[in-house]
Amino acid sequence: GQNIDQPTEMTATEGAIVQINCTYQTSGFNGLFWYQQHAGEAPTFLSYNVLDGLEEKGRFSSFLSRSKGYSYLLLKELQMKDSASYLCAVLDSNYQLIWGAGTKLIIKP
Amino acid sequence: DADVTQTPRNRITKTGKRIMLECSQTKGHDRMYWYRQDPGLGLRLIYYSFDVKDINKGEISDGYSVSRQAQAKFSLSLESAIPNQTALYFCATSDLIQGDTGELFFGEGSRLTVL
Repeated sequence: GQNIDQPTEMTATEGAIVQINCTYQTSGFNGLFWYQQHAGEAPTFLSYNVLDGLEEKGRFSSFLSRSKGYSYLLLKELQMKDSASYLCAVLDSNYQLIWGAGTKLIIKP
Repeated sequence: DADVTQTPRNRITKTGKRIMLECSQTKGHDRMYWYRQDPGLGLRLIYYSFDVKDINKGEISDGYSVSRQAQAKFSLSLESAIPNQTALYFCATSDLIQGDTGELFFGEGSRLTVL
């Protein structure tokens, strides 16, 4: 079966750095997405990785290792507004998105 | 105004009632999707449509039906609602044709409670 694993919840301190991991086992791979979802709101796109390596976009970076079936989202200089759930999703060989359950990130002052 | 609009945003109904959730988009995308989200679970695909004449079942289509009335409109129906269909429902659009990432654009969500 297809599976996306990410931690259920993480806590970090304002101003710090946090890394949210995602491991996947899917039938094929056509890219990995990270979305941010604030409570009660719609998910919004953060990043897309299809090749190995690190993609940096401001305070957020996303890393992919296809051989290890592994990705992480790195958030720097954490702000209170970064408190949200972070969803990892993989595009499989049929171009279907497989979603993880999400990681709830709690930021403390 | 939102690019992807869902109505209603909130609905409480009773078991056995027919419910329709509507989605309209101004992004000009061909691809539209209906997902449901439950606490502790990932987004699960109910139905998707790649153009007006194309309708496909997702992983959890039982108990649901859809209609793609136009490129911009995609409706989800629950013919006879049951309590385990209580969830947050999202409509989304995407457009792979132009070679972008296939990023999904979500509506604001429709919270459905079935008593």
